[in-house]
Amino acid sequence: DAGITQSPRHKVTETGTPVTLRCHQTENHRYMYWYRQDPGHGLRLIHYSYGVKDTDKGEVSDGYSVSRSKTEDFLLTLESATSSQTSVYFCAISDPRAGWGEQYFGPGTRLTVT
Amino acid sequence: QQQVKQSPQSLIVQKGGISIINCAYENTAFDYFPWYQQFPGKGPALLIAIRPDVSEKKEGRFTISFNKSAKQFSLHIMDSQPGDSATYFCAASKETSGSRLTFGEGTQLTVNP
Repeated sequence: DAGITQSPRHKVTETGTPVTLRCHQTENHRYMYWYRQDPGHGLRLIHYSYGVKDTDKGEVSDGYSVSRSKTEDFLLTLESATSSQTSVYFCAISDPRAGWGEQYFGPGTRLTVT
Repeated sequence: QQQVKQSPQSLIVQKGGISIINCAYENTAFDYFPWYQQFPGKGPALLIAIRPDVSEKKEGRFTISFNKSAKQFSLHIMDSQPGDSATYFCAASKETSGSRLTFGEGTQLTVNP
């Protein structure tokens, strides 16, 4: 998985609780992304980062926040989890300076909100 | 708003046959079109990609055909094998937007032995 780890890999939490997912990369890629995968929707971009402390919203950013204090770490936070946020979350990395800026994905985190 | 539409949702092919998955896009600013393969419990893995300056790209048994005027592109898997059974996603992005990918809904391919 291209030097990308995600933690935790599985989590069950209750509605209303805060949740933080972590993505860690060892590739020193500039760009990092958070996607969610749901049946019938493919993967949808939540937030992305184009450098340390530089982030922007994707198409489904409501209810999520992100932070990137180091090149290698990108955190996704659900401030108050809801059942609609039950999903599989994938982190991805890319470096537009290399090739076509191909994106490489981590192994995913399965989150269940009860 | 789904900017990349993928079909079919599921596909069953016999070993040795040709698997064809189609995608259509709306945004003419898209200029990078990758395909990803995903096995159960794994993250998507980049399979093959194309830019609109060519109409076809082949890598082994996998070929992308691109029709810019029709805003369509497709993945052809020749001599399909049971090990190709996976979910396939097409995607598109504008190079200038930091490779923010817009994905199709996915196609679950089953290759029967």
